[in-house]
Amino acid sequence: NAGVMQNPRHLVRRRGQEARLRCSPMKGHSHVYWYRQLPEEGLKFMVYLQKENIIDESGMPKERFSAEFPKEGPSILRIQQVVRGDSAAYFCASSPTADYGYTFGSGTRLTVV
Amino acid sequence: RKEVEQDPGPFNVPEGATVAFNCTYSNSASQSFFWYRQDCRKEPKLLMSVYSSGNEDGRFTAQLNRASQYISLLIRDSKLSDSATYLCVVNHYNAGNNRKLIWGLGTSLAVNP
Repeated sequence: NAGVMQNPRHLVRRRGQEARLRCSPMKGHSHVYWYRQLPEEGLKFMVYLQKENIIDESGMPKERFSAEFPKEGPSILRIQQVVRGDSAAYFCASSPTADYGYTFGSGTRLTVV
Repeated sequence: RKEVEQDPGPFNVPEGATVAFNCTYSNSASQSFFWYRQDCRKEPKLLMSVYSSGNEDGRFTAQLNRASQYISLLIRDSKLSDSATYLCVVNHYNAGNNRKLIWGLGTSLAVNP
């Protein structure tokens, strides 16, 4: 059973480009969470999704950021018109139920140049 | 007051020492609790869930004190490989009955030879 798979591991984008981060949860996990971690800072919740539904997006910036978890395929975190301040590690986690601890993916390190 | 507070440390201890971390939380309705470990530039990994009765896993012991709203993690016989940041995580359900995991900023542990 593969763990939570995130790709790419590293992503470099120029200011103004779009970044698409992918997350495949563990088999049997239908709850997906996205977190951002800035250098030297703690984990910040962004969004919680179940298949085809956004459950809680209270941590998502109001503009440029969106997330989806379609019926088929991975969850996608999309950042439009990236800025330098978007440079961070983006972690995806999944769980089988809402009461269980998470399993994290290895993260995508986004660098905006 | 932060929802979840931890002493950031760093805790510098010699190999073989016993070290304890505390974490306080503000929401008395919190329902489940976890300790995660995060190595530098890696993803957080679930160390252990914390149960009301307390639980032990090898050299690690977790305790929950609901009355005082804190959880603790005790590490006995510290190893060099225990050097990491330890994250306290508290789970509760918000007004919309959605699960919310609140993360502490972590306590840094350095075990020295």
